[in-house]
Amino acid sequence: IAGITQAPTSQILAAGRRMTLRCTQDMRHNAMYWYRQDLGLGLRLIHYSNTAGTTGKGEVPDGYSVSRANTDDFPLTLASAVPSQTSVYFCASSDSGGNTGELFFGEGSRLTVL
Amino acid sequence: GQNIDQPTEMTATEGAIVQINCTYQTSGFNGLFWYQQHAGEAPTFLSYNVLDGLEEKGRFSSFLSRSKGYSYLLLKELQMKDSASYLCAVVDSNYQLIWGAGTKLIIKP
Repeated sequence: IAGITQAPTSQILAAGRRMTLRCTQDMRHNAMYWYRQDLGLGLRLIHYSNTAGTTGKGEVPDGYSVSRANTDDFPLTLASAVPSQTSVYFCASSDSGGNTGELFFGEGSRLTVL
Repeated sequence: GQNIDQPTEMTATEGAIVQINCTYQTSGFNGLFWYQQHAGEAPTFLSYNVLDGLEEKGRFSSFLSRSKGYSYLLLKELQMKDSASYLCAVVDSNYQLIWGAGTKLIIKP
């Protein structure tokens, strides 16, 4: 089934630890995004990539890094996790750049930092 | 600053009609999206409006007035499965996507 796969689905992490959230899509979409979703707030963009080999910072990039070595994969790394990074993380992709196309979301990764 | 306003929560009855409003103040406008998100799941696309007027898609319709900075999502013949959060998002002049906090819709029998 075509779509976006995220892993892990859920993770509890000690503060200070490094963590990578994986995201893979098989739709050959050029644009990919990482969002975090917190109660009472809209989705907030962490990082994005318009095409393989390029990345950009979103609204809340601090403490996170991404890479886009190929079209399909877009991992998100927390170098040293802090409790404020407790959130649900969604990876998304789109075949249209400039945010004018439908976003396809993964099922989310629920991260708790203690 | 840029802002998207939606009601936090609404309640409606199965079989009825509900209108979820979204008002926005953004630097420019290049389109407005509505997404549905069931609890614990990913958002899924419902509609995209870039011109004024009503777009109908089955039981769901979305309306846009760019001059008023206003959109609504109309859900007809409500079903229990329509219980979800509905997210409004606007594409601004820099083609950044600005998200509202979402409206939680509760459907009662």
